[in-house]
Amino acid sequence: QKEVEQNSGPLSVPEGAIASLNCTYSDRGSQSFFWYRQYSGKSPELIMSIYSNGDKEDGRFTAQLNKASQYVSLLIRDSQPSDSATYLCAVKALSNFGNEKLTFGTGTRLTIIP
Amino acid sequence: DVKVTQSSRYLVKRTGEKVFLECVQDMDHENMFWYRQDPGLGLRLIYFSYDVKMKEKGDIPEGYSVSREKKERFSLILESASTNQTSMYLCASSPRGGTNEKLFFGSGTQLSVL
Repeated sequence: QKEVEQNSGPLSVPEGAIASLNCTYSDRGSQSFFWYRQYSGKSPELIMSIYSNGDKEDGRFTAQLNKASQYVSLLIRDSQPSDSATYLCAVKALSNFGNEKLTFGTGTRLTIIP
Repeated sequence: DVKVTQSSRYLVKRTGEKVFLECVQDMDHENMFWYRQDPGLGLRLIYFSYDVKMKEKGDIPEGYSVSREKKERFSLILESASTNQTSMYLCASSPRGGTNEKLFFGSGTQLSVL
């Protein structure tokens, strides 16, 4: 079982609609969760982090965390063509030696249709 | 702004060659990471370092080694390059602990092994 799982997509959403991206993780002890955005040919960049159950909003982005279900999601409201990218879910975990490392999902490719 | 610099954007090597990928960061970060990114497989952690001369294996260390002699520089070494090591290699750095857990990525090195 993969540690962090995402639907690879592609996910197509009309401009102005809500895009919903989902992620599940296997390590029940994980405490920190992140969403990175990666444009084609570019490096990933952090857009959201969440640590507590519930919702966290930042502009048009909302991250949702449910630790009991081991589920993280990202909602993008009023989707814009500039939101077209691959979205990577990442979970912080401790290595066998107690050092922090970030494990990424395979990413969901999102396309916003004008 | 934090800058993570990877020495080459594109690299072509022959099977069996020893390959060095260099990464330098300018923000005095303790943690540095090497990932490879392949279509459908996402970002996979090869090795990471949490201090000078300290290193730890990630999820796919086979065929790779690393060196961190100075805090700002983290090198990935392919001892004997093989065609299955053709990939995009991404270096990243982050400060240790605290609330600032953002990974800063370099622009990547696309390595082709022929």
